[in-house]
Amino acid sequence: EPEVTQTPSHQVTQMGQEVILRCVPISNHLYFYWYRQILGQKVEFLVSFYNNEISEKSEIFDDQFSVERPDGSNFTLKIRSTKLEDSAMYFCATCPQATHNEQFFGPGTRLTVL
Amino acid sequence: DQQVKQNSPSLSVQEGRISILNCDYTNSMFDYFLWYKKYPAEGPTFLISISSIKDKNEDGRFTVFLNKSAKHLSLHIVPSQPGDSAVYFCAAHPPTSGSRLTFGEGTQLTVNP
Repeated sequence: EPEVTQTPSHQVTQMGQEVILRCVPISNHLYFYWYRQILGQKVEFLVSFYNNEISEKSEIFDDQFSVERPDGSNFTLKIRSTKLEDSAMYFCATCPQATHNEQFFGPGTRLTVL
Repeated sequence: DQQVKQNSPSLSVQEGRISILNCDYTNSMFDYFLWYKKYPAEGPTFLISISSIKDKNEDGRFTVFLNKSAKHLSLHIVPSQPGDSAVYFCAAHPPTSGSRLTFGEGTQLTVNP
């Protein structure tokens, strides 16, 4: 069964450093999302991406964050200058098309900012 | 932001019995509701969903009930199995294409053998 994959599984970085989290969506899926879950808290929406542009973003997704699909395959989330509070599990999710409402999640990347 | 709320952080049931997980929402724009299951160190796995035009959807041991007037949904698992032990998240979204999921806090279900 096709699945969403994410790399790395765990990323440790120093505060102020840039990180790039990578996701390979399920083939033929059209909608892509990033969510995060800070330890002990809810899963929170960050951004959605469709047709090579951001379709929606939350208040969390400020200028420090960016997304792109550089090669038509990978979907990346970049955090330009990490803060301690960025430490969380980051999940990529994909959805086949507008009429299918289930989002399929990857295994997540655990980001630890020291 | 408490648009989706799961009031029970944990639930413990005996194997073979019914597990009932509850979820409330406040946003009347939500028209599609989903349940996800999550094991530690894994991503949420889609379990079952329901559209607002229905009040019940069943898939094997899993049934989701929706009470629109009360803005309440529940997930029934029967019979419960030890492998069902996980965190269960309720999620919802409005009818806009590709829109975000809004999640509840999650309920840790423990099924005891």
